[in-house]
Amino acid sequence: GQQLNQSPQSMFIQEGEDVSMNCTSSSIFNTWLWYKQEPGEGPVLLIALYKAGELTSNGRLTAQFGITRKDSFLNISASIPSDVGIYFCAGQLSDGGSQGNLIFGKGTKLSVKP
Amino acid sequence: NAGVMQNPRHLVRRRGQEARLRCSPMKGHSHVYWYRQLPEEGLKFMVYLQKENIIDESGMPKERFSAEFPKEGPSILRIQQVVRGDSAAYFCASSPGQGLSGYTFGSGTRLTVV
Repeated sequence: GQQLNQSPQSMFIQEGEDVSMNCTSSSIFNTWLWYKQEPGEGPVLLIALYKAGELTSNGRLTAQFGITRKDSFLNISASIPSDVGIYFCAGQLSDGGSQGNLIFGKGTKLSVKP
Repeated sequence: NAGVMQNPRHLVRRRGQEARLRCSPMKGHSHVYWYRQLPEEGLKFMVYLQKENIIDESGMPKERFSAEFPKEGPSILRIQQVVRGDSAAYFCASSPGQGLSGYTFGSGTRLTVV
């Protein structure tokens, strides 16, 4: 099946540091989404990207849709303890298949040390 | 303004029993999607339904798994004769129409097969 390669798998950082994570694929996507999941909960949408090259911010979060449409990154600036969680990229293929079928990366587990 | 409601939150079944997972979409949403998440993994798409119709079941195992979204009532994901490998978190998402606008996840049902 289709795969999204998400890296890094985990990060241990100090409060105040910036964080960067990314997703790549061999397939072309027409939408990239970034989610955060906390223990025992479902994923919550952080940022949605719909156009190649698009750069979008949501507070301290910034994400970009790669020009090739095969990658995306998420940056978190000045991390705080409540940023702890698992961050997932997800994408929708451009092959005209099901409109609701999202493909997820395996996640980046973020730990923030106060 | 309730979000996507899934119940039960936790379900324990013995091998060979049936598991029924329920998902009530957000008000005004007529599209429902089911995903499965294994430990330390991302979500994997299973099935996409509209009222009384299965739109895309490309991610559903061919045996023992079925899903429905009746005209009235919640969507049901049914797993017959559960096995240990079925233990996972099952998430439902809903949207008001086709596409990703308003696409929202529930908090999931954690199924444990003993």
